[in-house]
Amino acid sequence: NAGVTQTPKFQVLKTGQSMTLQCAQDMNHEYMSWYRQDPGMGLRLIHYSVGAGITDQGEVPNGYNVSRSTTEDFPLRLLSAAPSQTSVYFCASSYSGTPNYEQYFGPGTRLTVT
Amino acid sequence: DQQVKQNSPSLSVQEGRISILNCDYTNSMFDYFLWYKKYPAEGPTFLISISSIKDKNEDGRFTVFLNKSAKHLSLHIVPSQPGDSAVYFCAASGQGQNFVFGPGTRLSVLP
Repeated sequence: NAGVTQTPKFQVLKTGQSMTLQCAQDMNHEYMSWYRQDPGMGLRLIHYSVGAGITDQGEVPNGYNVSRSTTEDFPLRLLSAAPSQTSVYFCASSYSGTPNYEQYFGPGTRLTVT
Repeated sequence: DQQVKQNSPSLSVQEGRISILNCDYTNSMFDYFLWYKKYPAEGPTFLISISSIKDKNEDGRFTVFLNKSAKHLSLHIVPSQPGDSAVYFCAASGQGQNFVFGPGTRLSVLP
């Protein structure tokens, strides 16, 4: 199993550009999520999905879109990049329901917006 | 206002000694807690969890204690090893699968 994979590892964007961060998992997990990590802030939930075709907003959804057309993939789209979106982005997945809440994280994408 | 707090940004411990990482939360609806460990340039990895029906959970060198009345949990690592040097995140969840993460504590275990 590759686990959770993310591409790209690094990205530099100019303000106003758009891009998609890719996330895929091969563990047949129903639940997938996107976080951003900023210094002193921990990981903050952007969007999540409990299954194919179902997505919902997390704590900091503004400026981001997601879709979940398959169980495996959960891409995150930045519509018009802003310097405030400079961050490290992590995708995670897990089984749904109790008792197994353990989330598996990808290696992250470091995004810089200039 | 942060619902999950880790008030020590960093902690240094001598190899072989005990490391104690603390976490406080404000939301009384939280009923499930996890600790994650993160090395530089990697994603967080799950370490240990505890449900609110317990006050202690142990896994090898790692023990998590939960004090519900104080809304406080702690992670004990005994004995600490240099490979434990990482950032540790506390996370909490209530009635769902979304977690709120603390800001993290950077642990340095000195040889």
